[in-house]
Amino acid sequence: AQSVTQLGSHVSVSEGALVLLRCNYSSSVPPYLFWYVQYPNQGLQLLLKYTSAATLVKGINGFEAEFKKSETSFHLTKPSAHMSDAAEYFCAVSDRSGGSNYKLTFGKGTLLTVNP
Amino acid sequence: SQTIHQWPATLVQPVGSPLSLECTVEGTSNPNLYWYRQAAGRGLQLLFYSVGIGQISSEVPQNLSASRPQDRQFILSSKKLLLSDSGFYLCAWTGTAYGYTFGSGTRLTVV
Repeated sequence: AQSVTQLGSHVSVSEGALVLLRCNYSSSVPPYLFWYVQYPNQGLQLLLKYTSAATLVKGINGFEAEFKKSETSFHLTKPSAHMSDAAEYFCAVSDRSGGSNYKLTFGKGTLLTVNP
Repeated sequence: SQTIHQWPATLVQPVGSPLSLECTVEGTSNPNLYWYRQAAGRGLQLLFYSVGIGQISSEVPQNLSASRPQDRQFILSSKKLLLSDSGFYLCAWTGTAYGYTFGSGTRLTVV
């Protein structure tokens, strides 16, 4: 069984500062990993995904994440925060051992606040 | 292109009343379909998933049920709502292992 831990339920940064959202996973098989963003009262939107290709993955809105197998981590970063980045971010791991059900296990989310 | 529709957007229901939330997908066939519930501070909880018509897998024993009467239609139901059923319900679909596409969600408040 896989699991995801997001360190920090709430992260606050200043506009223009580095954004770092932490995600550690546990999986019995090589994982697929994902970051999603959710704006208030909306569904989740895929930011980026790691599917066993390049370990540094670039996504939308200037975000990127690096898969580090030795650390079982998939942290999300953005060099310079923008006010529009304020949202909740979810890390997820895919259950690749479950055949074709493609289940995702999500972390509890990190709420990002961007201060002017 | 594929789209996913979920309705209604918001719903206020009294305790003990029935529930029916609907999700439909367009532009694809034989998708995997999922119902998640999101409660404040608790992340996303997978409720049900379906890999085909009439095939429903339940992840959490609860007051809810799901059905898939057509290939691209997924329905979440309850016969009698409880206060604890309040939350934000999300439908999602995928055709591959490379992540989901989510609907816009339904905010359910049970009063």
